[in-house]
Amino acid sequence: GAGVSQTPSNKVTEKGKYVELRCDPISGHTALYWYRQSLGQGPEFLIYFQGTGAADDSGLPNDRFFAVRPEGSVSTLKIQRTERGDSAVYLCASSPLQRTGELFFGEGSRLTVL
Amino acid sequence: EDQVTQSPEALRLQEGESSSLNCSYTVSGLRGLFWYRQDPGKGPEFLFTLYSAGEEKEKERLKATLTKKESFLHITAPKPEDSATYLCAVQITSGAGSYQLTFGKGTKLSVIP
Repeated sequence: GAGVSQTPSNKVTEKGKYVELRCDPISGHTALYWYRQSLGQGPEFLIYFQGTGAADDSGLPNDRFFAVRPEGSVSTLKIQRTERGDSAVYLCASSPLQRTGELFFGEGSRLTVL
Repeated sequence: EDQVTQSPEALRLQEGESSSLNCSYTVSGLRGLFWYRQDPGKGPEFLFTLYSAGEEKEKERLKATLTKKESFLHITAPKPEDSATYLCAVQITSGAGSYQLTFGKGTKLSVIP
């Protein structure tokens, strides 16, 4: 596919469980972002990767959240000990350029924590 | 603290009834202001980038403008397929946070046939 691919599209889990969300960016895009969007809100920045390294992780809300991009392509967002407040749509975006606001977003992974 | 406020929260228009959406912002230094469109259940889709006051960008029935304090998205003779949530976002010039976009809550536009 030509676009950003995110899996799963929907995830329902119980409070306290561990969750992984995957993002496959557009081929050749070196910049990758994770955002979180709650109902009725705009997307909220979580983390930015340039290549394999996290250039800015200041948006991660606490140490239960962690993201990796080991080979500079696919990224995984990991959430430990999930809480009901973690319920949201997690959006991944990529770009061929650094430090740009022109992003290509995926359709998101909707996480529901019961 | 960087802030982005969009108004109105929701807007209903008759097909062909032109209007404008507002995005006001407060930032330490503006690198760029961005407009996105978001359809239900989808990720945001990039529309425009504006870098400096006085700049304008157009695409089909949409025109975006920028001043030092706000941006407008003008919609001329809208069609039902223009119905979506329109998001405004800002990026600051330097320092911590310059890789991030700060989004507003969006304006939900409904165009009635």
